[in-house]
Amino acid sequence: DAKTTQPNSMESNEEEPVHLPCNHSTISGTDYIHWYRQLPSQGPEYVIHGLTSNVNNRMASLAIAEDRKSSTLILHRATLRDAAVYYCILRTNAGKSTFGDGTTLTVKP
Amino acid sequence: GAGVSQTPSNKVTEKGKYVELRCDPISGHTALYWYRQSLGQGPEFLIYFQGTGAADDSGLPNDRFFAVRPEGSVSTLKIQRTERGDSAVYLCASSLGGFANYGYTFGSGTRLTVV
Repeated sequence: DAKTTQPNSMESNEEEPVHLPCNHSTISGTDYIHWYRQLPSQGPEYVIHGLTSNVNNRMASLAIAEDRKSSTLILHRATLRDAAVYYCILRTNAGKSTFGDGTTLTVKP
Repeated sequence: GAGVSQTPSNKVTEKGKYVELRCDPISGHTALYWYRQSLGQGPEFLIYFQGTGAADDSGLPNDRFFAVRPEGSVSTLKIQRTERGDSAVYLCASSLGGFANYGYTFGSGTRLTVV
C-alpha cells in the first residue's frame, strides 16, 4: 500500500497561514492525494484532494509538487477551529486507503 | 439523512459476547468502508464494499470479524467472541464510488469497549 509521511505535530498562531507537509514518494500515476481532518470524538472530515494540479476550495489550498512525491495543505488564515489532526492519504482506484497517524495542529490565540 | 449514520454511538460489552455495529451510508453512495481507530492512531482499514459485495476484506484481523451489506445500502459489522483488544472506535465511510477521485464521508463512529 502506498504510504504517506507527515510530521507528528505543528503549531500555528491564529490568523496566520499554516503549511502542512506530506511526503508520498511511492505514489503511482493514478493515485489521488486526499486530505482529511479529525476533531476529537468525530470521524475524519474531507478537506481537499487533487491529482497533479494545485487545488483551491473554501477550506484550504493543496499544492502538489511537480514530481507528485510531496504535497502541502495550506490553511490561509488559521482559526482556533482549525485545531485538529490532519491526515494526508493516497486514494487508489483499488478502493482502500492507508491512513498514517497524521499531523496534530495546535493553533495558539 | 444528509450524512453517514452509525449506531450505536457507544457500546460496552463483556468479553466473549457478540456485537453488531450498524452503518447507514449516504443515499446513492455505492462504496462503503469500515475502519477501526485506536486512541492516538490513524484509522486502520478493515473492509470495503462496492455495492453488495466485499471488494476487499484484507483488513479484517481474523475470522471473528465479519461484515455484510445485503442490499447495497446499510452495512453491519459483526464481531464474535469479543476480546479486550477489540476496544476501539469503529468508523464507517461511504463514497459515491470506489474511484480515487471520490472523497470519503465518514460517520462519527461507534466506540466499542470490551470489559
